[in-house]
Amino acid sequence: GQQVMQIPQYQHVQEGEDFTTYCNSSTTLSNIQWYKQRPGGHPVFLIQLVKSGEVKKQKRLTFQFGEAKKNSSLHITATQTTDVGTYFCAGQGGGNKLVFGAGTILRVKS
Amino acid sequence: KAGVTQTPRYLIKTRGQQVTLSCSPISGHRSVSWYQQTPGQGLQFLFEYFSETQRNKGNFPGRFSGRQFSNSRSEMNVSTLELGDSALYLCASSLVDGANVLTFGAGSRLTVL
Repeated sequence: GQQVMQIPQYQHVQEGEDFTTYCNSSTTLSNIQWYKQRPGGHPVFLIQLVKSGEVKKQKRLTFQFGEAKKNSSLHITATQTTDVGTYFCAGQGGGNKLVFGAGTILRVKS
Repeated sequence: KAGVTQTPRYLIKTRGQQVTLSCSPISGHRSVSWYQQTPGQGLQFLFEYFSETQRNKGNFPGRFSGRQFSNSRSEMNVSTLELGDSALYLCASSLVDGANVLTFGAGSRLTVL
């Protein structure tokens, strides 16, 4: 079945450094979504990418969807302590099923 | 607009017991999905319901079941609880527009002793 791999599993950065998490699907996706889960919280929707090669920005966050619609990335510029949490990608393939990656835990040292 | 409401928020059970968790979706959302979250396994999909019908199902044993009512509220049940069932159970609702953007509830934290 469809699998979504996400790396790295964990990243610890100094405040002000950049951060990137990558997501790869075993199958072509119709869309990919990104969620953020703060420690002790629940996942919150960040963004959805639908088009091949799409790039979207939200302030310091940049999201990309690959040309083949099988991979995606989330890049955070100049991390802040408020960025801590787990970032999940979720790919939607055939059958309308949304498959989550394992998540990347981001810790920021101030 | 009220968010996704899950009850109870915390519960403790012993092995062999059964548990029922409840989820009230956002008003107007007709799809409800359930996920199990554990530290080592991330978000594992349990099942999705739409219009009282199970539309998708994950790879969990038959001890895990669910249902959806005509008002879109959903329940999930776990019978014969095992220690490994200790987890955060998350419910998420979505509009059925083909995009399935999920709004999660705060979760029900189940501890099995």
